[in-house]
Amino acid sequence: ETGVTQTPRHLVMGMTNKKSLKCEQHLGHNAMYWYKQSAKKPLELMFVYSLEERVENNSVPSRFSPECPNSSHLFLHLHTLQPEDSALYLCASSQESFDPFNQPQHFGDGTRLSIL
Amino acid sequence: EDQVTQSPEALRLQEGESSSLNCSYTVSGLRGLFWYRQDPGKGPEFLFTLYSAGEEKEKERLKATLTKKESFLHITAPKPEDSATYLCAVYGDYKLSFGAGTTVTVRA
Repeated sequence: ETGVTQTPRHLVMGMTNKKSLKCEQHLGHNAMYWYKQSAKKPLELMFVYSLEERVENNSVPSRFSPECPNSSHLFLHLHTLQPEDSALYLCASSQESFDPFNQPQHFGDGTRLSIL
Repeated sequence: EDQVTQSPEALRLQEGESSSLNCSYTVSGLRGLFWYRQDPGKGPEFLFTLYSAGEEKEKERLKATLTKKESFLHITAPKPEDSATYLCAVYGDYKLSFGAGTTVTVRA
């Protein structure tokens, strides 16, 4: 089951490019998340949306800009990235509740981003 | 300051050799502890949620337990298909924090 779909799977871009990552969930969830995963490091939570409202932004640089047009879609717009931004970017979704962090999350398979 | 620490970083097992993974945490007011499995090239897959000390959950060869300071993931008689990275996530202090994971390799 691929309830959470991320595209593209791989992306190579220069530091001056602008690109977007897309995430779509088919699980009827109302909370969505962006994470950054670097080798040997814990997952870093970047953004959280619950019922299409941003509820958390963990001091992420402004070169990352999220967008949640509806409860099924989530985007991460990228511009002027740095080499240290190369990583796996994971999207997840969960049931909305009073406390979305207290729900198990369903992850996509990620976008592998490489910055030249 | 690390809130979630997983050990060991890597574990190599022979098929059938049972072992345990550790997830220790320092958050107060634990709201939930989650275990995930991640295969290479894939996103994490949810395994268990534990909410209070003394709670246990089982699924096939996996059993998760929880105390006030740590959680264990026991793998009984593992098979090669149990090879994966196992992630622990802790929700407490109004924050969700992940550990760096334990990579388990099971040899036939």
